[in-house]
Amino acid sequence: SQTIHQWPATLVQPVGSPLSLECTVEGTSNPNLYWYRQAAGRGLQLLFYSVGIGQISSEVPQNLSASRPQDRQFILSSKKLLLSDSGFYLCAWSHRLIVPRVHYGYTFGSGTRLTVV
Amino acid sequence: DQQVKQNSPSLSVQEGRISILNCDYTNSMFDYFLWYKKYPAEGPTFLISISSIKDKNEDGRFTVFLNKSAKHLSLHIVPSQPGDSAVYFCAASGGSNYQLIWGAGTKLIIKP
Repeated sequence: SQTIHQWPATLVQPVGSPLSLECTVEGTSNPNLYWYRQAAGRGLQLLFYSVGIGQISSEVPQNLSASRPQDRQFILSSKKLLLSDSGFYLCAWSHRLIVPRVHYGYTFGSGTRLTVV
Repeated sequence: DQQVKQNSPSLSVQEGRISILNCDYTNSMFDYFLWYKKYPAEGPTFLISISSIKDKNEDGRFTVFLNKSAKHLSLHIVPSQPGDSAVYFCAASGGSNYQLIWGAGTKLIIKP
């Protein structure tokens, strides 16, 4: 069965410090990978998605970046964190197969609570 | 431009009664819809889905209804239980873009 691992679960970082969040998927190959953020009291905001190694699409301009060094590894980074980067970060994966009128959905990791102080 | 809208940020329902969560969409190309449930400090989990070729899908206490002409779908939970208290997200997919478009979520509170 497929599993997704995301770590760390919580993180408190000072303003201006770097960030690295890691996500790995097991039990599948060639997944689509996603980074989402849920700010307090708000919905899910897509930050980045990737359809393959080294292929990253950014949805929101910001001081965050993403990388996919391996097929099942997705990393969210920042060189200098801002207070506004605080939030709940979620990694997710989905099958790449496209079938009309079907979507196999996303499977989410357990999330990382980031507090920038 | 919000293509998927959940206009109720929160909903409070008595335990045992029916919970109805609503979702509206604007893009007629959407052909598959999903509901996810999210507890605090956890990732969302898949709940139920519906294809645009259907108008109803049922799974236990959960039923999703789709009204394509109104571009509206709803999730019914009967009977509501305390464990149903969570944030519910509506999501849509369509065309060649495999991404999901998400609503802002509705916080459901089940009162004992």
